[in-house]
Amino acid sequence: EDQVTQSPEALRLQEGESSSLNCSYTVSGLRGLFWYRQDPGKGPEFLFTLYSAGEEKEKERLKATLTKKESFLHITAPKPEDSATYLCAVKRGSTLGRLYFGRGTQLTVWP
Amino acid sequence: GAVVSQHPSWVICKSGTSVKIECRSLDFQATTMFWYRQFPKQSLMLMATSNEGSKATYEQGVEKDKFLINHASLTLSTLTVTSAHPEDSSFYICSARDSRDRGYNEQFFGPGTRLTVL
Repeated sequence: EDQVTQSPEALRLQEGESSSLNCSYTVSGLRGLFWYRQDPGKGPEFLFTLYSAGEEKEKERLKATLTKKESFLHITAPKPEDSATYLCAVKRGSTLGRLYFGRGTQLTVWP
Repeated sequence: GAVVSQHPSWVICKSGTSVKIECRSLDFQATTMFWYRQFPKQSLMLMATSNEGSKATYEQGVEKDKFLINHASLTLSTLTVTSAHPEDSSFYICSARDSRDRGYNEQFFGPGTRLTVL
């Protein structure tokens, strides 16, 4: 059965304290792994798409990496405005765009 | 670019009434739109895939007679919750895929609609 698991469920960091969020997946025929940011009461905001193992993408303080079994979202020197829930989703090749979401990691960055 | 809007942003209704939620792609055409439901501290659960000009495809366990989806144009899909009950209270989010995206890659999400059924 396809599964997307994110850890930890919640993460509290001091401002400037770097860390990583994990997304592990068991999906046949992966055709893309997506990271989204979601603020309370809002829809997900697209961050990255990764397609193949070894791929990395960066945006400001965020860096996403992908292996054959998991993806990491590295947050370098986070700021309070990085506080949000970070969602990971995967897409299979046979499903015309259907995304399978993990439950997310709720990140809180304290000043 | 790639903006998706939803209306209303929140709605409160009485049990037994029907509620319609609109999802619009503002600056692109969307052959396919997706409807999700999200309960507090839970992830997004896909309810149905909405295809312009044809019937929606519902996920297992989602009642198609209760959650009516209409995708009458390339920029608008609607979700109607019929005979709503308190257990239907949730955050409903739509997403849309640009028709020009042949790789079925990026989905653009709307801001969500908070439904509360009393």
